[in-house]
Amino acid sequence: KQEVTQIPAALSVPEGENLVLNCSFTDSAIYNLQWFRQDPGKGLTSLLLIQSSQREQTSGRLNASLDKSSGRSTLYIAASQPGDSATYLCAVSLNYGGATNKLIFGTGTLLAVQP
Amino acid sequence: EAQVTQNPRYLITVTGKKLTVTCSQNMNHEYMSWYRQDPGLGLRQIYYSMNVEVTDKGDVPEGYKVSRKEKRNFPLILESPSPNQTSLYFCASGRLGTVYEQFFGPGTRLTVL
Repeated sequence: KQEVTQIPAALSVPEGENLVLNCSFTDSAIYNLQWFRQDPGKGLTSLLLIQSSQREQTSGRLNASLDKSSGRSTLYIAASQPGDSATYLCAVSLNYGGATNKLIFGTGTLLAVQP
Repeated sequence: EAQVTQNPRYLITVTGKKLTVTCSQNMNHEYMSWYRQDPGLGLRQIYYSMNVEVTDKGDVPEGYKVSRKEKRNFPLILESPSPNQTSLYFCASGRLGTVYEQFFGPGTRLTVL
């Protein structure tokens, strides 16, 4: 059974600091991995999607990497800002049957960027 | 604007009173899904649909029903809600295939007393 773990559960950093969020998964047979952002009272916003054949994706100050063999992904946020404060979730898309769109989520990392 | 909408956003109800949470997407996506989010458990899939009239159970389907009569709509039905269904519910949609991301609605916070 696929399990997704995110460490740390919470993180507080001063503004301007570079930071790394970690995601690990137990079964390497994934189709893709998505990083989401969740703000209180709002839905999930997709940040980056990495296909299983890719090593990394970049969007602005965000860079996500994927190492399938070790079952790990990292989300790197450069020059953090208070507006980055949110819960960050990673989710893997499973590789089986017809449910290729099924996502298994981690429990998230709550990030607080202090001004 | 491409979006997934859910209604209501907040709902407080009592045990046993049937309710429906609506979900609609305007992106012509084949795939739609419902998740619930609980503290310490993350998001777990309730039901999903690969296309009109095609639905299947996710990981936690007990106590829920869904229907997919139109491509854009995927309502979640609780025939007899119980307190353990108090949760934050999310609807999602996406194109079929592994290269496509999923888009999520704003969530519905349900409290069953």
